[in-house]
Amino acid sequence: EAGVTQFPSHSVIEKGQTVTLRCDPISGHDNLYWYRRVMGKEIKFLLHFVKESKQDESGMPNNRFLAERTGGTYSTLKVQPAELEDSGVYFCASSQGQASSYEQYFGPGTRLTVT
Amino acid sequence: AQSVTQLGSHVSVSEGALVLLRCNYSSSVPPYLFWYVQYPNQGLQLLLKYTSAATLVKGINGFEAEFKKSETSFHLTKPSAHMSDAAEYFCAVTWGGGNKLTFGTGTQLKVEL
Repeated sequence: EAGVTQFPSHSVIEKGQTVTLRCDPISGHDNLYWYRRVMGKEIKFLLHFVKESKQDESGMPNNRFLAERTGGTYSTLKVQPAELEDSGVYFCASSQGQASSYEQYFGPGTRLTVT
Repeated sequence: AQSVTQLGSHVSVSEGALVLLRCNYSSSVPPYLFWYVQYPNQGLQLLLKYTSAATLVKGINGFEAEFKKSETSFHLTKPSAHMSDAAEYFCAVTWGGGNKLTFGTGTQLKVEL
């Protein structure tokens, strides 16, 4: 069974440009999460999808970030326009259920560098 | 605000020595506690979790952690370190049965010969 995959693995863009990150969850996992780690700091929750619906987007930093999950399969996270402080590693995770007893399976992350 | 604290951003041990990685949480409600490990160029992998059953939790690769409510701690231990244990370790918490993980800042474990 394939794990959570993320594309690209690395992205370097200039301030003001747009970047779209993609996450493919484990097949059959209705729950999809985005997290971000800014260098030297903790991994922080961004948002949670249940199928195609946003269950919790309390961690989204601002309206430059747009997450979608059309059809309840893969998800994209768009940053437009990118700022220097958006640099970091963006992780995606998926799980079968919402309760804490369900393990969240993480992808390898996308390292975003904004110059 | 509820938080997780990992003491020591870098820990170095000799191969065969005890591994002890510290995690403390602040919470007014019963937590669910997790330890994740990240090897280079890989995603986070769950080592173990505490979900209000036994306070001593055994995980993969010989790791275990003990939930101590009185100390609000969930320290990770392994009796004998192996070179393959070198990685970054994250303590994480959810509260009230929710599934939004709150992470500590991570501890980089180095194992030396």
